[in-house]
Amino acid sequence: DQQVKQNSPSLSVQEGRISILNCDYTNSMFDYFLWYKKYPAEGPTFLISISSIKDKNEDGRFTVFLNKSAKHLSLHIVPSQPGDSAVYFCAASVANTGNQFYFGTGTSLTVIP
Amino acid sequence: GAVVSQHPSWVICKSGTSVKIECRSLDFQATTMFWYRQFPKQSLMLMATSNEGSKATYEQGVEKDKFLINHASLTLSTLTVTSAHPEDSSFYICSARDSIAGRTGELFFGEGSRLTVL
Repeated sequence: DQQVKQNSPSLSVQEGRISILNCDYTNSMFDYFLWYKKYPAEGPTFLISISSIKDKNEDGRFTVFLNKSAKHLSLHIVPSQPGDSAVYFCAASVANTGNQFYFGTGTSLTVIP
Repeated sequence: GAVVSQHPSWVICKSGTSVKIECRSLDFQATTMFWYRQFPKQSLMLMATSNEGSKATYEQGVEKDKFLINHASLTLSTLTVTSAHPEDSSFYICSARDSIAGRTGELFFGEGSRLTVL
């Protein structure tokens, strides 16, 4: 059962525009969320995180928004750059269960120069 | 910054043999490490949580006797795929977090190990 879902397998955006990647989850106990970026044949690299006590976290060009009532989070990248082209995974963690993270299926972002 | 190293990055083996993959935290101690498997065009699936000095915790559906995990030190966890078969061919990735950082610390990933079983 996929508890974290990314319903858009791919997204294409023009350079300089905003990229919005979406993630939905089903487990209301999730209280910590992360976004990771992955290039082919490499391990994921951490991008940005947010805890459930916040609804927004910003780091440079990257902003993550959390809507707890809708069980939805999104990653905004603005302005998008060609180097942002990669697969983006969202991940979620449940309180008091240690360090287990559950990953979405990923969204492949292509930024067109 | 903190680095997690995996070895080997690519291994090809014959069906029926066993393969060991190492995951090392290079500049921090990790009491817990995680092993994931990624199928083509699919998500990272958590296989098991590796606990230093104790037994690993496996996710539902993951065969404990098939995927042996050993976390003998605070900087090393190993995943051994026993009696590998072609269906075990996949991309295996480990991750670790600095024990001092706690649950909300950044999770660092290894480079991944691509296993091909002939």
